Amino acid sequence: GAGVSQTPSNKVTEKGKYVELRCDPISGHTALYWYRQSLGQGPEFLIYFQGTGAADDSGLPNDRFFAVRPEGSVSTLKIQRTERGDSAVYLCASSLTRGETNIQYFGAGTRLSVL
Amino acid sequence: GDSVTQMEGPVTLSEEAFLTINCTYTATGYPSLFWYVQYPGEGLQLLLKATKADDKGSNKGFEATYRKETTSFHLEKGSVQVSDSAVYFCALSDLYGNNRLAFGKGNQVVVIP
Repeated sequence: GAGVSQTPSNKVTEKGKYVELRCDPISGHTALYWYRQSLGQGPEFLIYFQGTGAADDSGLPNDRFFAVRPEGSVSTLKIQRTERGDSAVYLCASSLTRGETNIQYFGAGTRLSVL
Repeated sequence: GDSVTQMEGPVTLSEEAFLTINCTYTATGYPSLFWYVQYPGEGLQLLLKATKADDKGSNKGFEATYRKETTSFHLEKGSVQVSDSAVYFCALSDLYGNNRLAFGKGNQVVVIP
C-alpha cells in the first residue's frame, strides 16, 4: 500500500487477555517504530526496529509488552495480561533509514480499550 | 533525557487570525526539530522540520525557526483557515542516533469562521 497500515483500527478486550497489534510499513522502509499515545498526551516511544532486529526497546513499559518483525517488514506488537492502564492509541511509523533524509510516516493507529 | 514542552491548553481563534504555538526543548547534542499535525480522524503527518540551528522549516503557510540560543521552535502562521483546525505536536529526534521521536503534549487548535 501507499502508507503505513495498522490493524485492527479498534480493539476492545478484557483485563487479563492477550492482544496482538499489526503494522504493515511502507514498502522498502527498513526502520519501524512503535509509539503509544494516551488521551491528551503526545506519542511516547516504545521500540525501534532496524530491519529484523529490535535496535532499541527501552521504551517498552514492562515485560508484558513484546514486539517482533521476523522478516524485516510487518511488525506485531504483543501485549500479555492486559491491564486497564494499557488503554491507548498504539501508533506505528516507518522510515527509509536513519539520517537527515529520514522522515517517519505514521499509520492511523490502533485504539486499544481494556475493559 | 530529551524532552519537548508545548504551551498549555487549546488555542481558539478566528479565521484569518495570526497563530503562534510555543515549543521549547531540552536535549543533549544537536537534535532535529519537527512539527507534526493530526487532523480529525487522521494519522500524524509531518508539517515541517529543521535539522540545524537557524534553519527555518515551512509548509502550507506555517513556519518555524530552530533557535538554539533559546532552545525553541515556535510554530507560526500569518492567517489561519478553518481547515487548519487540528492538533499540533512539536517533536525532536537525534537523526544520527536511533531517530526516536520525543513529542510534546500537543495543542488543539480550533479556528472559528
